Amino acid sequence: AQSVTQLGSHVSVSEGALVLLRCNYSSSVPPYLFWYVQYPNQGLQLLLKYTSAATLVKGINGFEAEFKKSETSFHLTKPSAHMSDAAEYFCAVIRKSGGGADGLTFGKGTHLIIQP
Amino acid sequence: GAVVSQHPSRVICKSGTSVKIECRSLDFQATTMFWYRQFPKQSLMLMATSNEGSKATYEQGVEKDKFLINHASLTLSTLTVTSAHPEDSSFYICSALGNTDTQYFGPGTRLTVL
Repeated sequence: AQSVTQLGSHVSVSEGALVLLRCNYSSSVPPYLFWYVQYPNQGLQLLLKYTSAATLVKGINGFEAEFKKSETSFHLTKPSAHMSDAAEYFCAVIRKSGGGADGLTFGKGTHLIIQP
Repeated sequence: GAVVSQHPSRVICKSGTSVKIECRSLDFQATTMFWYRQFPKQSLMLMATSNEGSKATYEQGVEKDKFLINHASLTLSTLTVTSAHPEDSSFYICSALGNTDTQYFGPGTRLTVL
């Protein structure tokens, strides 16, 4: 079974500082990994995804993530935080349970707080 | 592109009534849609997979007779919460599967059962 673990339920950074949100995965097959952002009372917006192509994935809003198989990690980074980045971030992996399309297994989420 | 809508965005109902939530892919066709449930300050949990023209596949512990799913067309899936009770109050989010294994999420529906 596939799973993801997000380290840190809350992360606080200053505006302009580096953002690092951690995600480790467990998978018996090559994983497809995703980062989503959720603003209050809204659905999820895809930031970026890894699907076994390039290990460094660039997404929207200046975010990027690097797939490291040796560390089973897929951490999300952004060089300079903006106030508008304050939101809930979810790491997810596609469930692989046989034929057909599969849903996502989500991590518990990390609440990103931006300090002015 | 890849926009998914949900209706209604919020609904309040009395205990014992049924509520229908619609999920539409606006600019693409989706043979597969998913329904998730999110409790306050928690992650999303997959409830069921909805396939156009066939029966939905429910996750373990999800009552199929309580959460009725219909995927009658390539752009519409509906979730009906039957005989709703306060413990069914939650944020329900759908997603539609686009190309390349990417799910596009709707804005969610906040259900409150009194």
